[in-house]
Parts: sequence; C-alpha cells; structure tokens
Amino acid sequence: KAGVTQTPRYLIKTRGQQVTLSCSPISGHRSVSWYQQTPGQGLQFLFEYFSETQRNKGNFPGRFSGRQFSNSRSEMNVSTLELGDSALYLCASSPESRGSIGEAFFGQGTRLTVV
Amino acid sequence: EDKVVQSPLSLVVHEGDTVTLNCSYEVTNFRSLLWYKQEKKAPTFLFMLTSSGIEKKSGRLSSILDKKELSSILNITATQTGDSAIYLCAVGNNNDMRFGAGTRLTVKP
Repeated sequence: KAGVTQTPRYLIKTRGQQVTLSCSPISGHRSVSWYQQTPGQGLQFLFEYFSETQRNKGNFPGRFSGRQFSNSRSEMNVSTLELGDSALYLCASSPESRGSIGEAFFGQGTRLTVV
Repeated sequence: EDKVVQSPLSLVVHEGDTVTLNCSYEVTNFRSLLWYKQEKKAPTFLFMLTSSGIEKKSGRLSSILDKKELSSILNITATQTGDSAIYLCAVGNNNDMRFGAGTRLTVKP
C-alpha cells in the first residue's frame, strides 16, 4: 500500500508569490490534515479536509487555503508569500476525520523556502 | 486554550542510557494521546493511549498515560544512536489533534 505522497519535496519562492502544494493520501483514507513545522514551534495545525469539506481550521491567516478533491487528494495554497512562511509543510492522512481516535500517517513533507 | 507542552525541549545522552520524555496537556474533551518519532521529515507513529489503554510497550519503548495528572511519559531504555530524533506528543479531542513542540533527543555513541 503506497504511503502519503507530497509534491514537490522542495520549493524556493520569492516574497509576494503564491505556491500550491499537493498531498495524495493513502488509498481509502478520506481525511487529509495539513501542518506547518518550523524550528521550535512543533507542528502547527493548518486545516483538515474530510470528504471534500473543510472540517477544522487552525489559527492561520486567510492567505493559507486548501481544498480536497473527490479522490481525496488535497492541495494547499499560500498566497502573497512572506519570509516567515518558510517551513516544512506536512500533510497527514487518516481513514476517518481527526475528530475520531486514531493515528495519522504523515508524508515526507514539502520544504518551502521563501527568499 | 488547549495546549500540549513537552519537556525537555532537547536532551543529549549516551548509548545505553535510559531517558524519560514528558508531555502534559490541557485539552477539552480528551480522547487520545499519541507519540510520534520524527527522524528526518515524516513523523512515524509510536503509540496511542486512551482512557481504555493507558500503558503501551514495544521493545525498548514504553509509554504511560496519567489522566489524573493530564500527562504522559515516553520511556526509552538502553538507548541507541538510532533513537536520535524529535519525539512529538499529540493530543486529540472530538475536533482536533494538537501537537507539542517536540523533544529533540540526541544519543551519542
């Protein structure tokens, strides 16, 4: 069974640009959650999508948005990039919504550098 | 506000030592506490603890949930260099899974 796949693995963008990151969950998983990880901050929750609907949203500005397609693949978009957006972006998939008990399976992440 | 606090933030030990990592939480409607190991990029699942399963063990790793103290510990005995990683604690309720900042463990030969 293939794991969670994130593309691209690395990305360099300049301030003011926008970026789209992609996450393909494990086959059969319907929930995809996105996290931002920066040194010392741990994983900060961005949002969760379940069956194409945003279920939960973290405390991030509106520049961060996402969507989920009918095949459960999810994309995350960040507009008007700022230097502080440089981070490792991880997505995690699980069979059910994060509201239920259970482990999440993480992808390898996308390392975004904003210059 | 819900929060998950891990301590220490970093730890350096030598091979063979035993370490204890801590996770305390304030989360409404607690449902589960999970431990993950992050070596390079993708965190990998270690344990899940719930009200019905407050102690787990796998090889040299073990974890206990103290619901009264709202905390959990992760023990690693006879540490090896391959245990060097960031250990993440996550606490879930009905709507959310909140992560701590992690403990960076370095095991020296």
